[in-house]
Amino acid sequence: TQLLEQSPQFLSIQEGENLTVYCNSSSVFSSLQWYRQEPGEGPVLLVTVVTGGEVKKLKRLTFQFGDARKDSSLHITAAQPGDTGLYLCAGAPSNDYKLSFGAGTTVTVRA
Amino acid sequence: GAVVSQHPSWVICKSGTSVKIECRSLDFQATTMFWYRQFPKQSLMLMATSNEGSKATYEQGVEKDKFLINHASLTLSTLTVTSAHPEDSSFYICSARDGGAGGSEQYFGPGTRLTVT
Repeated sequence: TQLLEQSPQFLSIQEGENLTVYCNSSSVFSSLQWYRQEPGEGPVLLVTVVTGGEVKKLKRLTFQFGDARKDSSLHITAAQPGDTGLYLCAGAPSNDYKLSFGAGTTVTVRA
Repeated sequence: GAVVSQHPSWVICKSGTSVKIECRSLDFQATTMFWYRQFPKQSLMLMATSNEGSKATYEQGVEKDKFLINHASLTLSTLTVTSAHPEDSSFYICSARDGGAGGSEQYFGPGTRLTVT
């Protein structure tokens, strides 16, 4: 079982639609990160959320950290084909800085 | 800032040979680097944690004699796949933690596609 449960596994939407990806755990994290990865490339850090209840915005992307710091969500407004990619949530449950990754959500935005 | 490079970006080798992959932090000092393996359409699987000047810590199920890791400086870690076999074919990604930043964020290299024939 994975420490971080990510859902859905796949998302295919039309350009202009909205989408939400969820990342849940039974463990408390001091922080959670969201990454986006394109085929054949390494993951790129999008955001780090640290405070329970925190909301961060990155253009059309909105990230939330749950009050109990056990879950997070990524919401994309008016998705564009350039948003296509594998979205990964990750967190370090202990002090050794080893990241535990969710299984990932493959997002496809059709033009 | 926080750029990590990997070399080579892809490599094809014959079964039984060894392959070395380099991971460099270009604009920060990385006391800790991590090596991951990723299969198609799957998430990243941590193989080992590499600390500068000390032995790497391997995850359960990862053979330390097969995947040799050296972290000789604060900006360079290497992964050597020894006696490679076709089942070692995969996408290998390194990451580096900026110890000076104090957080758990890791910055990833672009990955190395290894194909063993």
